[in-house]
Amino acid sequence: DAGITQSPRYKITETGRQVTLMCHQTWSHSYMFWYRQDLGHGLRLIYYSAAADITDKGEVPDGYVVSRSKTENFPLTLESATRSQTSVYFCASSGSLYRRSSGNTIYFGEGSWLTVV
Amino acid sequence: AQTVTQSQPEMSVQEAETVTLSCTYDTSESDYYLFWYKQPPSRQMILVIRQEAYKQQNATENRFSVNFQKAAKSFSLKISDSQLGDAAMYFCAYRSPMIKAAGNKLTFGGGTRVLVKP
Repeated sequence: DAGITQSPRYKITETGRQVTLMCHQTWSHSYMFWYRQDLGHGLRLIYYSAAADITDKGEVPDGYVVSRSKTENFPLTLESATRSQTSVYFCASSGSLYRRSSGNTIYFGEGSWLTVV
Repeated sequence: AQTVTQSQPEMSVQEAETVTLSCTYDTSESDYYLFWYKQPPSRQMILVIRQEAYKQQNATENRFSVNFQKAAKSFSLKISDSQLGDAAMYFCAYRSPMIKAAGNKLTFGGGTRVLVKP
């Protein structure tokens, strides 16, 4: 039961470089999300996806790009990393909301710690 | 837009005692989902308990239980027989049942840090 996995778990990069954080889930969940969590704060939504090829912006999308060509993968790309993007990034997924039992629960990956120097 | 408020930045509890974390939310929807997530120092987000608004019965998961007061828009978490491993940040979260993904995201409270004293 692999669930939802993120890679890399830890990354240090330089300002201006492009960085891609990978997310893979094995549940065939429809919905996927990217959140960021800054030290001492809650989670803020960057991008989300309702299905393959359907993505949309969340609260803090600037500087990020996502794609979802396959249901199981949802990579997040920082086009030109800035120090303000130093954060912990969480990928998450959930099933269809039509199923009331567990489809409404959002499950999280272990997080990717990104430091931009 | 929905908002979630956790008014207690930090709570301290003696091992084996009980602690209650407060959460209030604001919504105009009648059907929704509420969650408590635990975040230990590893920063992993772990689901603790889930409550569907259409259910009147309060959810329970082992030592964790909630007091869901729909009219008051309150969703508190009670941790009984606290253990050292319960020390973590706890986040209350709201999810809309809306079909559009925009309404499906979790809205989080600011978190409550729980300290467990041996």
